[in-house]
Amino acid sequence: EAGVAQSPRYKIIEKRQSVAFWCNPISGHATLYWYQQILGQGPKLLIQFQNNGVVDDSQLPKDRFSAERLKGVDSTLKIQPAKLEDSAVYLCASSLVGEIEEQYFGPGTRLTVT
Amino acid sequence: SQKIEQNSEALNIQEGKTATLTCNYTNYSPAYLQWYRQDPGRGPVFLLLIRENEKEKRKERLKVTFDTTLKQSLFHITASQPADSATYLCALPSSASKIIFGSGTRLSIRP
Repeated sequence: EAGVAQSPRYKIIEKRQSVAFWCNPISGHATLYWYQQILGQGPKLLIQFQNNGVVDDSQLPKDRFSAERLKGVDSTLKIQPAKLEDSAVYLCASSLVGEIEEQYFGPGTRLTVT
Repeated sequence: SQKIEQNSEALNIQEGKTATLTCNYTNYSPAYLQWYRQDPGRGPVFLLLIRENEKEKRKERLKVTFDTTLKQSLFHITASQPADSATYLCALPSSASKIIFGSGTRLSIRP
């Protein structure tokens, strides 16, 4: 079974530039998550989709971050404009729909904003 | 709001010994609690889930306990090996649909 795919793996941009990350979840997984993980901290949920609908985006900084999941499969997360404090690893995860489901994580994208 | 506390200091133990990691939460007892392993440069990997009505769960050399009175879960690795060195994350639901993660404890097993 193929895992969660993410690209790019690394990205370096200057502040005020924009950046986009892509995620392809495990086939058949209806729920998709984007997390931000700052060095030394646990993952923090940014947005959760079920199929192509948003379940939770309460911690997404909507003035600069946006995400979409067209057709309920792949997803993109965009930051525009980036700030220094956005430097982090952005993790995508997916899971089956259910009351309690383990999440399968991708390798993440390490973003450095200079 | 629910908060998770994991020991931020790294845990260093000798190979062959039992490693014990702690996860404390602050508010209501969650319906379940999960443990994940994260290696450098990789995403977390699910290890075990324990429900609120379960006192203990085992999987090979791993054992998790859940004490709702103490608001604590303990994660044990018996007969530890250098390959067990990683960061271990505790996670639990903060709402019907959202899971929150602790900051993790870094475990180092020396030969």
